[in-house]
Amino acid sequence: DARVTQTPRDKVTEMGQEVTMRCQPILGHNTVFWYRQTMMQGLELLAYFRNRAPLDDSGMPKDRFSAEMPDATLATLKIQPSEPRDSAVYFCASGFGVAEAFFGQGTRLTVV
Amino acid sequence: GIQVEQSPPDLILQEGANSTLRCNFSDSVNNLQWFHQNPWGQLINLFYIPSGTKQNGRLSATTVATERYSLLYISSSQTTDSGVYFCAVWPRYITQGGSEKLVFGKGMKLTVNP
Repeated sequence: DARVTQTPRDKVTEMGQEVTMRCQPILGHNTVFWYRQTMMQGLELLAYFRNRAPLDDSGMPKDRFSAEMPDATLATLKIQPSEPRDSAVYFCASGFGVAEAFFGQGTRLTVV
Repeated sequence: GIQVEQSPPDLILQEGANSTLRCNFSDSVNNLQWFHQNPWGQLINLFYIPSGTKQNGRLSATTVATERYSLLYISSSQTTDSGVYFCAVWPRYITQGGSEKLVFGKGMKLTVNP
């Protein structure tokens, strides 16, 4: 059963700590997205990769956020240092080109 | 960039009622998806429908790409249909300074009461 896998599912951390979220896209998919969901802003696109190359990270605060794809089976989103306003659910999604995208179950991040 | 508008923003139904959700988009699209976010936060794919009509059980969707809208029909609603419904599109054209990316509407919250 092919699915996008995100870890961890939940993360509570103290302000100032580094947070790393991981995503395993569906095998064969060449497009990976990172979205952030909050009550106030809804679903925001943070970063978007095609064939492991970043195509758009304009939605990401560059000073503290970074997104990478070290290989085709792993995407990471890092926040350093984390702040309480980063508390949100972070979703990873994958697809092939502009075809159907599938979402992982999300990482619920709480920064205290 | 492309604008995606969903209506109505909220809807409350009694179990068994039918409903229609609408998604309007401001420019041509390559593809369109409907998602259901359940009360546990999962984003579930409902339809991948760049054009035409598809049906899956009590749900069906129609996209009229030339008129820039899509409709999601829910018949005989059940309490498990509650949640937020999102429409998302892949713009066909990249605007100046922009990039192709999957753009979401703000969602429509559906509550189905028993």
